[in-house]
Amino acid sequence: DAGVTQSPTHLIKTRGQHVTLRCSPISGHKSVSWYQQVLGQGPQFIFQYYEKEERGRGNFPDRFSARQFPNYSSELNVNALLLGDSALYLCASSLEWSGGVRTGELFFGEGSRLTVL
Amino acid sequence: TQLLEQSPQFLSIQEGENLTVYCNSSSVFSSLQWYRQEPGEGPVLLVTVVTGGEVKKLKRLTFQFGDARKDSSLHITAAQPGDTGLYLCAGLIGGYNKLIFGAGTRLAVHP
Repeated sequence: DAGVTQSPTHLIKTRGQHVTLRCSPISGHKSVSWYQQVLGQGPQFIFQYYEKEERGRGNFPDRFSARQFPNYSSELNVNALLLGDSALYLCASSLEWSGGVRTGELFFGEGSRLTVL
Repeated sequence: TQLLEQSPQFLSIQEGENLTVYCNSSSVFSSLQWYRQEPGEGPVLLVTVVTGGEVKKLKRLTFQFGDARKDSSLHITAAQPGDTGLYLCAGLIGGYNKLIFGAGTRLAVHP
């Protein structure tokens, strides 16, 4: 079975540009979350989508937006890039429930490494 | 603001040694996960603990969830070079699958 796939794996942008990152979840998973991981830190929550609806948003500026498509794939968009947006952007898919328990288990892709110059 | 603190930040040990990594918070979590991340890859789920006081074993790894569901520990017995990586704990909050991650413990096991 295919895991979570993300594209592109690496990209370089300049300040002020915008970027679109893509994610395909594990088959059967309807929830997609986005996390930002800056070098030396743990992942930070950006968005969660379930059944095409935004279910949660982290403490990120409005330059960050996302959406989920009918096939449950997702895009993360970042506008007006800043140097501080350089990070590994992780997509994770999950089942909302497992065995009647909301476990929060996430299955991550390998990430998209964004460098802003 | 929920915060998960991991300690130590860095750990460098010899093959065969035992070690314990800690994850602490002032917040109560409905569940807590441990992930391992290798360079250039996304985190990989190791275990989920849900019940206060729960202990789970995964080969040489033992995970414990605190009685009050605010803290957790990961103990590795007889560490091997293949255990090298970044160990992340993450707590589930809110009504949806939003995880709060700690900053991680970077483990290096030398042959």
